[in-house]
Amino acid sequence: AQSVTQLDSQVPVFEEAPVELRCNYSSSVSVYLFWYVQYPNQGLQLLLKYLSGSTLVKGINGFEAEFNKSQTSFHLRKPSVHISDTAEYFCAVSPTNTNAGKSTFGDGTTLTVKP
Amino acid sequence: SQTIHQWPATLVQPVGSPLSLECTVEGTSNPNLYWYRQAAGRGLQLLFYSIGIDQISSEVPQNLSASRPQDRQFILSSKKLLLSDSGFYLCAWSVDGDYGYTFGSGTRLTVV
Repeated sequence: AQSVTQLDSQVPVFEEAPVELRCNYSSSVSVYLFWYVQYPNQGLQLLLKYLSGSTLVKGINGFEAEFNKSQTSFHLRKPSVHISDTAEYFCAVSPTNTNAGKSTFGDGTTLTVKP
Repeated sequence: SQTIHQWPATLVQPVGSPLSLECTVEGTSNPNLYWYRQAAGRGLQLLFYSIGIDQISSEVPQNLSASRPQDRQFILSSKKLLLSDSGFYLCAWSVDGDYGYTFGSGTRLTVV
């Protein structure tokens, strides 16, 4: 079984400041890793994913994340945030050893960008 | 292009009434399909997933059921709704080898 812990439930930050949203996971098998963004009353949108290869992955909207296998972490970063980045962010993992792609999600981090 | 349709967007139902939520996918074949529920201020809980027609796996025992009568159609049902069934229901799909999800826009269900 897998579990995902998003270490901060809320992250307030000023516009144009850098931000890091932290995600740790636990799994007995290898996993794929994902970050999603959810705007109010909408479905989730995939920001980026790590399947294999380079541990630094770049996604949409200027976000990037780094997979750290030894620390079982997959933190999301953006060097300069905009008001429009205000949303809920979810980290998720999916085991690599199945053909069903079932993902386990964290409880989410609310990013609030202030002017 | 690949799209996913989910309806209705909002639903208010009395306790004990039936439920049917539908999700259809366009632009891909043999997708993996999922139903998740999101409680207010919480993460997503996997309810059902399907890797093919009539192949449904349940993750959480409850009064909900799912069916996949066609390759790109996934239906969530209940015979009698409970107050605890209220939440935001999300349909999603993925393909083998790339398990990033594409989500529908969700259905907000309020049981009264």
